[in-house]
Amino acid sequence: DSGVTQTPKHLITATGQRVTLRCSPRSGDLSVYWYQQSLDQGLQFLIQYYNGEERAKGNILERFSAQQFPDLHSELNLSSLELGDSALYFCASSPRDTQTYEQYFGPGTRLTVT
Amino acid sequence: GENVEQHPSTLSVQEGDSAVIKCTYSDSASNYFPWYKQELGKRPQLIIDIRSNVGEKKDQRIAVTLNKTAKHFSLHITETQPEDSAVYFCAASRTGTASKLTFGTGTRLQVTL
Repeated sequence: DSGVTQTPKHLITATGQRVTLRCSPRSGDLSVYWYQQSLDQGLQFLIQYYNGEERAKGNILERFSAQQFPDLHSELNLSSLELGDSALYFCASSPRDTQTYEQYFGPGTRLTVT
Repeated sequence: GENVEQHPSTLSVQEGDSAVIKCTYSDSASNYFPWYKQELGKRPQLIIDIRSNVGEKKDQRIAVTLNKTAKHFSLHITETQPEDSAVYFCAASRTGTASKLTFGTGTRLQVTL
């Protein structure tokens, strides 16, 4: 157990819908990262927040947005969902603001868009 | 941006043999190179990492080597065991507050009895 929690574990929804994925980092970690893992794409970095502020952006679609709250938990919002958004979404956390230290991954949320 | 290529995509070895996975990166400013192991249905977990000021690092049966000139790094697993079966991801990043960790596409290692 890494100490990072993610809810829900599974999510099934229809195209065009909007969903929110939630992540709670390890106690004391200020950075939260979101990744998308598709079968043929490996781990794709989406976005990083550090202490409530956006710190780095990857290949995140405009339909996706995220935020980190004062209690440091983070939410990833996915809207106008398409079939291709079906994937495993991981959240990770670390104590630092740079991505040159170990990241602790949560168990992931499996999103299925039908 | 950074591009990380990883080979092979699948690797099958017999128990007790060694396994080697290789990665190349494109950004010469990258200076942090972690390796993550992901067992089926589980989260990725860091198994070893190396920074650009060292050329090799070992942790029991696992070692990583880095060649900055050639921009490639490798994971070596000796005396493989069935529990080593998993997908292994290499990654690269540079320091800086807007740094991004770029992952390779993964290697599925199968250790057979």
